[in-house]
Amino acid sequence: AQKITQTQPGMFVQEKEAVTLDCTYDTSDQSYGLFWYKQPSSGEMIFLIYQGSYDEQNATEGRYSLNFQKARKSANLVISASQLGDSAMYFCAMRTSTGRRALTFGSGTRLQVQP
Amino acid sequence: DVKVTQSSRYLVKRTGEKVFLECVQDMDHENMFWYRQDPGLGLRLIYFSYDVKMKEKGDIPEGYSVSREKKERFSLILESASTNQTSMYLCASRTGQSSNSPLHFGNGTRLTVT
Repeated sequence: AQKITQTQPGMFVQEKEAVTLDCTYDTSDQSYGLFWYKQPSSGEMIFLIYQGSYDEQNATEGRYSLNFQKARKSANLVISASQLGDSAMYFCAMRTSTGRRALTFGSGTRLQVQP
Repeated sequence: DVKVTQSSRYLVKRTGEKVFLECVQDMDHENMFWYRQDPGLGLRLIYFSYDVKMKEKGDIPEGYSVSREKKERFSLILESASTNQTSMYLCASRTGQSSNSPLHFGNGTRLTVT
């Protein structure tokens, strides 16, 4: 079975600082992908970043980077230089090669950026 | 850009009613999904479809059914709505061409069952 755990229900960060949102996963598959989504208060789910299990380098997309530690089964999202518009729910998700086509999601972390 | 459109943003229904939630995508994606989102629980998969007329149960299919008669449209049906089905419902689609491809979501339907 696949499982995603996000242990931080809520986080605060000062504007312009970096923040790390934690995500651990559990799977017995060797091939899998990890995704992060952002959900602002408007409700839409915005895809941020993807990391494949065989990718040797940590994924980066602009101010987002993924700190992938395979042995520890963690895939933490790092947001650099936080902005007020980063305030949102953030979800970590996983899909495995042998699992179903859907993503399994964590419970999410609510990030609030303070001025 | 992929567009996933859910027919209603807000719905209020009565207990026992049959409820249809509609979802349409415009990118010819093979895979479509219905999730429900509840505080503290994240997104939970109800059903998904990988082709026309094909469907598979997700983690919480009880009380729901789905229909996919055309590739672009995936409907979620609450056979007899109950108050514990009050939730945010999110539809998503994904291409089947790549295992790396993300899900593209609609804006959600917030359903209240009274």
